Amino acid sequence: GDSVTQMEGPVTLSEEAFLTINCTYTATGYPSLFWYVQYPGEGLQLLLKATKADDKGSNKGFEATYRKETTSFHLEKGSVQVSDSAVYFCALSRYSSASKIIFGSGTRLSIRP
Amino acid sequence: SAVISQKPSRDICQRGTSLTIQCQVDSQVTMMFWYRQQPGQSLTLIATANQGSEATYESGFVIDKFPISRPNLTFSTLTVSNLSPEDSSIYLCSVEPTGHPYEQYFGPGTRLTVT
Repeated sequence: GDSVTQMEGPVTLSEEAFLTINCTYTATGYPSLFWYVQYPGEGLQLLLKATKADDKGSNKGFEATYRKETTSFHLEKGSVQVSDSAVYFCALSRYSSASKIIFGSGTRLSIRP
Repeated sequence: SAVISQKPSRDICQRGTSLTIQCQVDSQVTMMFWYRQQPGQSLTLIATANQGSEATYESGFVIDKFPISRPNLTFSTLTVSNLSPEDSSIYLCSVEPTGHPYEQYFGPGTRLTVT
């Protein structure tokens, strides 16, 4: 079945460091790929998405490129801020009669001032 | 994107009781979903709330434990019945906005603690 694997956390970085959170997926066909973010005490927010191979999703300085050849969708940011501290979820969706999202296990990111 | 509210935001309940969670959306949507997020875990889909018909449950979730109502295109409720400490989780509703397949937007969640 479909699945998403992302790097385990927690990840701790200093402010202005470069961030990569790895995500790979297993799915038949051509899923859409997402990164969701969950700030402390809040629900999930859609951070960015890509719906086909080689698409790059971007938002708030974060980027991820849909790589079909490596079945990956790694999240990157060039310079993190303390306000980026949150849990990040990689996810995939294949449209069907009942759209479902398959989530990865989540990666907790902490940024030190 | 849709604006989604949930009530209550949190509750502490005794075992054996039930809690009903409400989800309200600011626009009509076809697809609404309920998820569970156990402490420190990812999200697991409980069911799809269908307007005008019975909800569609995922493997491991049953209607007797998690009855769902969907009376119209902007509102749904999830009841967690016969509570046990293992039901302590965050429960989230989500919607797929009409015309935006593949995307889901989430409510703020309801944090349930069972004592």
